[in-house]
Amino acid sequence: KQEVTQIPAALSVPEGENLVLNCSFTDSAIYNLQWFRQDPGKGLTSLLLIQSSQREQTSGRLNASLDKSSGRSTLYIAASQPGDSATYLCAVRAAGNKLTFGGGTRVLVKP
Amino acid sequence: DTAVSQTPKYLVTQMGNDKSIKCEQNLGHDTMYWYKQDSKKFLKIMFSYNNKELIINETVPNRFSPKSPDKAHLNLHINSLELGDSAVYFCASSLEAGSGNTIYFGEGSWLTVV
Repeated sequence: KQEVTQIPAALSVPEGENLVLNCSFTDSAIYNLQWFRQDPGKGLTSLLLIQSSQREQTSGRLNASLDKSSGRSTLYIAASQPGDSATYLCAVRAAGNKLTFGGGTRVLVKP
Repeated sequence: DTAVSQTPKYLVTQMGNDKSIKCEQNLGHDTMYWYKQDSKKFLKIMFSYNNKELIINETVPNRFSPKSPDKAHLNLHINSLELGDSAVYFCASSLEAGSGNTIYFGEGSWLTVV
């Protein structure tokens, strides 16, 4: 059974600092891994999707890496801004078309 | 022009009632999903439909019955609501089942059972 863990559960940084969010999964037989952002009282916004054959994906200040063999992904957010404050969720997609989510990392960027 | 829309956004109801949450996607996707986010913020899949056919049913009580009249709609009907059903329910869609496509989520429906 796939399990996805995100550490830390919460993170607080001053504005301008780089953010590093970790995601680990127990079963490396995945199709892809997706990072989402969730704002309080809102739905999920997809940030990056990394296919199992890829090592990383980049979008603006966001960069996500994937090491399938070790069951890890890292989301880097460069030069954080207060607007980056949100909960970040990673999810892996495996056989059976199921997304298994981690518990999320709650990020606070202080001005 | 919301991609995945669900209604209502907020629902407060009494135990024992029957309620429905509707979901529609205008992305032309074949696959739709219902996810539940509990009080600890964990998201878990409940159902997945591909072209109106049920393909995933994750040990969800029979009181929950999804209905897909066409591939753009996946509604969730809940009978005999219980306190433990209070959660946020998210509808989502993707281009195909079993592919590597991005999954798009709706804004969520906050269900409170009192």
